[in-house]
Amino acid sequence: KAGVTQTPRYLIKTRGQQVTLSCSPISGHRSVSWYQQTPGQGLQFLFEYFSETQRNKGNFPGRFSGRQFSNSRSEMNVSTLELGDSALYLCASSLVPDTQYFGPGTRLTVL
Amino acid sequence: KNEVEQSPQNLTAQEGEFITINCSYSVGISALHWLQQHPGGGIVSLFMLSSGKKKHGRLIATINIQEKHSSLHITASHPRDSAVYICACARRFDYGGSQGNLIFGKGTKLSVKP
Repeated sequence: KAGVTQTPRYLIKTRGQQVTLSCSPISGHRSVSWYQQTPGQGLQFLFEYFSETQRNKGNFPGRFSGRQFSNSRSEMNVSTLELGDSALYLCASSLVPDTQYFGPGTRLTVL
Repeated sequence: KNEVEQSPQNLTAQEGEFITINCSYSVGISALHWLQQHPGGGIVSLFMLSSGKKKHGRLIATINIQEKHSSLHITASHPRDSAVYICACARRFDYGGSQGNLIFGKGTKLSVKP
């Protein structure tokens, strides 16, 4: 079975721009979660989707949004990028309830 | 105070040593995960525990729900075990699912010297 894939792997943007990151879960997994990892804050939960519905949301501003499609693929969007949004963005999928499988991440740099 | 605390923050061991990493949490959880992150960012889920003990190869994870404490043990440590080990708690929700909303410890950086 193919693992969780994330695209793109690396991204450089400038302040004020917006960005869309994509995550394809393991086939059959309907739950997709997104996390942000920074050196200062560590890993933080962004949102969780299950069957196209956002089930949970972490404590992030409204500039961070996401969605899930009928094939369970998920996207997250960050609008009006700030320097502090530079981070590794990780996506994880799971068969509920089961171990989460993490993707390789997208490293976003905001200049 | 963080809801998930790990200790130690950094750990250096000689190859072959027995290693223990601890995790304490203060929230209601339905499960606890141990994750491994190698340099370069890749994260691997090692264990998901809701009670008792699990073993996989040289790795053993235990959890005490009453004491809100979990430990990850590595027997006969090897330089390839060098990584950051992260404890993550799945917060309990009424709907019964909780896999997504993980709260993380700060991680333990393990370095195993040959």
